[in-house]
Amino acid sequence: DAGITQSPRYKITETGRQVTLMCHQTWSHSYMFWYRQDLGHGLRLIYYSAAADITDKGEVPDGYVVSRSKTENFPLTLESATRSQTSVYFCATGQGALGYTFGSGTRLTVV
Amino acid sequence: SQQGEEDPQALSIQEGENATMNCSYKTSINNLQWYRQNSGRGLVHLILIRSNEREKHSGRLRVTLDTSKKSSSLLITASRAADTASYFCATDEAGGDMRFGAGTRLTVKP
Repeated sequence: DAGITQSPRYKITETGRQVTLMCHQTWSHSYMFWYRQDLGHGLRLIYYSAAADITDKGEVPDGYVVSRSKTENFPLTLESATRSQTSVYFCATGQGALGYTFGSGTRLTVV
Repeated sequence: SQQGEEDPQALSIQEGENATMNCSYKTSINNLQWYRQNSGRGLVHLILIRSNEREKHSGRLRVTLDTSKKSSSLLITASRAADTASYFCATDEAGGDMRFGAGTRLTVKP
């Protein structure tokens, strides 16, 4: 099915563990984004990518790593999870002129 | 830092009334977009207005953009209970990234 999918929907991990959140889109859109959403902060941009093999930092990139070896995938890795990274993570994709489409989100809890 | 700031933070109205939300931003933009988020769900794109446009309509939505004041407004006319959601503005900047404000929580009472 066409669209954008995030996995997993829910994840509980321990402090210090590495965890990867997946994002996949079927449209071959150029842009992909990762946001985190916390109460009182709205959505904050973590990383974005304008094309395969091109990534840029957003507002809050520390503690996160991204890659974009293929246009359709944009995984987000927390190298050593901390409690402050407990959040809801959203991936988005689009071409800009028509707006962007968001995934359903991943609720991550770090204990 | 976040680019857009919505005002008010929360808005409560009766069904049938109009709802107006405002967004201010800080730097030059290519376009400004409004999104809606129902509780526990992802964001849904509502409308995009380019930097050279001043007003745009889509159904019951009307968006204005004033680049001299770096501000935008979203008007929802004849609101319905189903319009209850959080509304966010997002600015598409020259560098390609997209920044959001903290959102306006709209409650429409039946």
